[in-house]
Amino acid sequence: QVQLVESGGGLVKPGGSLRLSCAASGFSFSDYYMSWIRQAPGKGLEWVSYISGSGRTIYYADSVKGRFTISRDNAKNSLFLQMNSLRVEDTAVYYCARERVAIDYWGQGTLVTVSS
Amino acid sequence: DIQMTQSPSSLSASVGDRVTITCRASQAISNYLAWYQQKPGKVPKLLIYAASTLQSGVPSRFSGSGSGTDFTLTISSLQPEDVAIYYCQKYNSAPLTFGGGTKVGIK
Repeated sequence: QVQLVESGGGLVKPGGSLRLSCAASGFSFSDYYMSWIRQAPGKGLEWVSYISGSGRTIYYADSVKGRFTISRDNAKNSLFLQMNSLRVEDTAVYYCARERVAIDYWGQGTLVTVSS
Repeated sequence: DIQMTQSPSSLSASVGDRVTITCRASQAISNYLAWYQQKPGKVPKLLIYAASTLQSGVPSRFSGSGSGTDFTLTISSLQPEDVAIYYCQKYNSAPLTFGGGTKVGIK
């Protein structure tokens, strides 16, 4: 069965960096676009970024452009999100998600807290 | 960028009632519209894609309609297990914007 397991979240100070990872299993990873989606505490869903199966097509939300970098390692069935220059407003649960037609599988999420 | 606006932001209805949630896109998105359900403390779940196609395993009381800029999610007979926040999302092109959500409760 499809599994997406995020890791790498934690507490970081404003201006700091974190790297999130997502381990995928149960499907042909390189065949799918993958996304990062976040949800601030008590708030709605916000799409952050996506990457094509080959890694050649990448898009970011304006709120993270220039600070976050999405990447993938198809040999290791892994998705990454490098987050630099973190802000208090980046505090959220970050979900790794698979796109088929829309988002058909979500990970359980990893909490990122940006606070001094 | 295209904005997605949901209404209402919250509603309460009785068990067995018909419930309708609306999602409006600021520009036409054809039928590239999905609906998700997020129960309290849980991960979002895909209900409907391509505006009206039911995801496998989703109860038939859920249905979607619309094209262009105006879309609806209908629950034909509200059940207690349908208490959740419902989100629409456009996926025709980046950014893959979500609507603000509609919280559905039971009276």
